[in-house]
Amino acid sequence: GEDVEQSLFLSVREGDSSVINCTYTDSSSTYLYWYKQEPGAGLQLLTYIFSNMDMKQDQRLTVLLNKKDKHLSLRIADTQTGDSAIYFCAESKRRDDKIIFGKGTRLHILP
Amino acid sequence: GAVVSQHPSRVICKSGTSVKIECRSLDFQATTMFWYRQFPKQSLMLMATSNEGSKATYEQGVEKDKFLINHASLTLSTLTVTSAHPEDSSFYICSGSDSANYGYTFGSGTRLTVV
Repeated sequence: GEDVEQSLFLSVREGDSSVINCTYTDSSSTYLYWYKQEPGAGLQLLTYIFSNMDMKQDQRLTVLLNKKDKHLSLRIADTQTGDSAIYFCAESKRRDDKIIFGKGTRLHILP
Repeated sequence: GAVVSQHPSRVICKSGTSVKIECRSLDFQATTMFWYRQFPKQSLMLMATSNEGSKATYEQGVEKDKFLINHASLTLSTLTVTSAHPEDSSFYICSGSDSANYGYTFGSGTRLTVV
């Protein structure tokens, strides 16, 4: 079946790195995404990774994929107050296929 | 970049009335549009997938006669909540496929409150 799991909350001090973890069950997942949702807003695609990649870096964001363990992580370096949001891990089998979302991790920034 | 404009952002309606939510892809053609529903502090639940010019495919447990989806053009998809009840109160979000980029572009969502 299709299932995406992630922890619900994470608190990080401003300036530290945030690491949000996610596991998925479907081994045929080809595309793995991280979306950001700010209060009352839609979802913003932060980054994505293909299942044949191990790592992807984009400025302060680093995505690590362990395909064997079906584990995906998002690292946000130098976390800022503007990073406070809910982060959703998601997967799809094909580029035009439906996206399955995790429940989201609420990132709280401590001063 | 790709933008999906979703309207209205908030709507309050009386129980028994119908509400229409629109999603327009502004600078790309969305051949596929997904409609999601999000309950407070929960993830997005896929309601249906609509392809331009054809009938929508609904997920299990979603009433197709209650949630009418129309995708008549490559830039417009609508969701109509018919005979709304308080339990239909939720946050509805659409997303469209942009063939130029990976991942989908989401609308900003519609907060529906049925009183």
